[in-house]
Amino acid sequence: DVVLTQTPVVQPVTLGDQASISCRSSQSLVHSNGNTYLEWYLQKPGQSPQLLIYKVSNRFSGVPDRFIGSGSGSDFTLKISRVEPEDLGVYYCFQGTHDPLTFGSGTKLEIK
Amino acid sequence: QVQLKESGPGLMQPSETLSLTCTVSGFSLTSNGVGWVRQPLGKGLVWMGTIWAGGSTNYNSAVQSRLSISWDTSKSQVFLKMNSLQPEDTGTYYCARHGNYGDWFAYWGQGTLVTVSS
Repeated sequence: DVVLTQTPVVQPVTLGDQASISCRSSQSLVHSNGNTYLEWYLQKPGQSPQLLIYKVSNRFSGVPDRFIGSGSGSDFTLKISRVEPEDLGVYYCFQGTHDPLTFGSGTKLEIK
Repeated sequence: QVQLKESGPGLMQPSETLSLTCTVSGFSLTSNGVGWVRQPLGKGLVWMGTIWAGGSTNYNSAVQSRLSISWDTSKSQVFLKMNSLQPEDTGTYYCARHGNYGDWFAYWGQGTLVTVSS
């Protein structure tokens, strides 16, 4: 199975600052069709996960442009600029390239 | 407006068979696939399986021998059945709809908590 390693486990952040989360895969996430199915989800306390970014860098409908996904192959990053209170929660990366589909173990974004 | 809602028994005993229903609205099951994702209490997310728009299924090999996903398109419902439950199957079960642009889980239900305990 593909293992997604997220760092850091906890990301303390000051509101208004930038936060960065890394996701490294145990193998390349480039699909045979040329797409890279790496996604980012945010799970706010007591809520269901919500999709933020798909195919590495595409923002889902309604997601602010403060969220920027980047990377390639097996190394990916989510950057959140000007962190706001509603951005707090646990961020998960996810790969949909290889079976079984797998999630990273999560990064908790909390106020410093 | 896309909506998904899970329903199920809540409390199960070890060795029993779990049956969950995901009732959807705002889209057709023959247009978008639906997956099931489990979250043990206080832990991360685990994909369990998916039923595609054409009705075929894929399962996580970790639970494949115990899991079955099916649907009733006329009722806009997706079903999860998992047998031989154990306490480690305790957690919140989510159904989630595939997106239209290669995005896997674009819309999520609220989740339903299943506790396996004697």
